[in-house]
Amino acid sequence: GNSVTQMEGPVTLSEEAFLTINCTYTATGYPSLFWYVQYPGEGLQLLLKATKADDKGSNKGFEATYRKETTSFHLEKGSVQVSDSAVYFCALYNAGNMLTFGGGTRLMVKP
Amino acid sequence: DAGITQSPRHKVTETGTPVTLRCHQTENHRYMYWYRQDPGHGLRLIHYSYGVKDTDKGEVSDGYSVSRSKTEDFLLTLESATSSQTSVYFCAISESQGTGHGYTFGSGTRLTVV
Repeated sequence: GNSVTQMEGPVTLSEEAFLTINCTYTATGYPSLFWYVQYPGEGLQLLLKATKADDKGSNKGFEATYRKETTSFHLEKGSVQVSDSAVYFCALYNAGNMLTFGGGTRLMVKP
Repeated sequence: DAGITQSPRHKVTETGTPVTLRCHQTENHRYMYWYRQDPGHGLRLIHYSYGVKDTDKGEVSDGYSVSRSKTEDFLLTLESATSSQTSVYFCAISESQGTGHGYTFGSGTRLTVV
């Protein structure tokens, strides 16, 4: 079946630090991959996506590259801000199935 | 959120009582989903709908039922609430199940069963 594994949090960084949140997946075929962000007290929002191998999704300074050879979709940002503090979810969609989420990684950015 | 609202936003109920949560969309999207979010488990799918009166079970459907009598409304019912159903419930919608289409989520309902 499909599964998504994310690094456990919380991840605590200082403002302007470099961010990496690891995400690996297990799936047959060619899934689409997503990162969602959940700010405190809110629902999930789509942050970025990639639909085929070697695609790079990007948005708001975040980016992630679909690596089929390592089955990974790591989220990166060059310089985080306090406003980036949130929970980040990696997810995959595989044809005929529902969206499958990882467990989420909480990011805390300190000024 | 983009045309999706959940009600109520917060609810406290007693063990053994029935509870219904409502999801309403104005996007005319075909697919609607109910998830629950719990620490250490991320989001888990309870039920989903692929059209009016067309629903199916997700991975954690026991103790829950759903109904969709109109495109815009998807109801989640806890037949007899238990403490293990204390959670945050999210509704989501999507236009299709095709690749590349993400979901749009509501703001959630925090349910506490005492």
